[in-house]
Amino acid sequence: GDSVTQMEGPVTLSEEAFLTINCTYTATGYPSLFWYVQYPGEGLQLLLKATKADDKGSNKGFEATYRKETTSFHLEKGSVQVSDSAVYFCALSTGNQFYFGTGTSLTVIP
Amino acid sequence: GAVVSQHPSRVICKSGTSVKIECRSLDFQATTMFWYRQFPKQSLMLMATSNEGSKATYEQGVEKDKFLINHASLTLSTLTVTSAHPEDSSFYICSARDYQIEVGGWDEQFFGPGTRLTVL
Repeated sequence: GDSVTQMEGPVTLSEEAFLTINCTYTATGYPSLFWYVQYPGEGLQLLLKATKADDKGSNKGFEATYRKETTSFHLEKGSVQVSDSAVYFCALSTGNQFYFGTGTSLTVIP
Repeated sequence: GAVVSQHPSRVICKSGTSVKIECRSLDFQATTMFWYRQFPKQSLMLMATSNEGSKATYEQGVEKDKFLINHASLTLSTLTVTSAHPEDSSFYICSARDYQIEVGGWDEQFFGPGTRLTVL
């Protein structure tokens, strides 16, 4: 069945470090891919999305490219800030249902 | 962008009581809404899919008599936790889908801020 596998955390980085959170997926058909962010005590917020192969989603300095050949959608940011500390969820949608990864907790220390 | 609200944001209740959580799409119509449950430091678990004007579809293992879902209008779905017990304490999140069809087709879910339920 459809699924998302996400890099396990927690991840701790120093401010201005480079961030990569790996995400791979299994899906039939052509899913849309998403990254959501959840700040402590809050719901999920859409961070970025990509709807077809080779699309690059970007927002707030975060980027992810839909790679069909490697079935991946890795999240990257060149220079993280303390305010980026949150839990990040990779997700895919096949049109009928969303499938979420287990989430990766990121802590950025000054 | 599309906004989904949830009410209440936090609720504390005694064991045995029932609690109703509302999920509203504020600026779009949602024929489908979803209810998730999230345990501490874990991912979201889909509980049920709520379709306007029809019965909800529950995921395997979710008690439909325990978690009553009503989707009475295109902008409102409610989740009622009946006879709540401490093990029902959790973070409940709803989402709504504003379905759009484009080349290749895609859809997106918009999430509410969540409701923290604590059952004493």
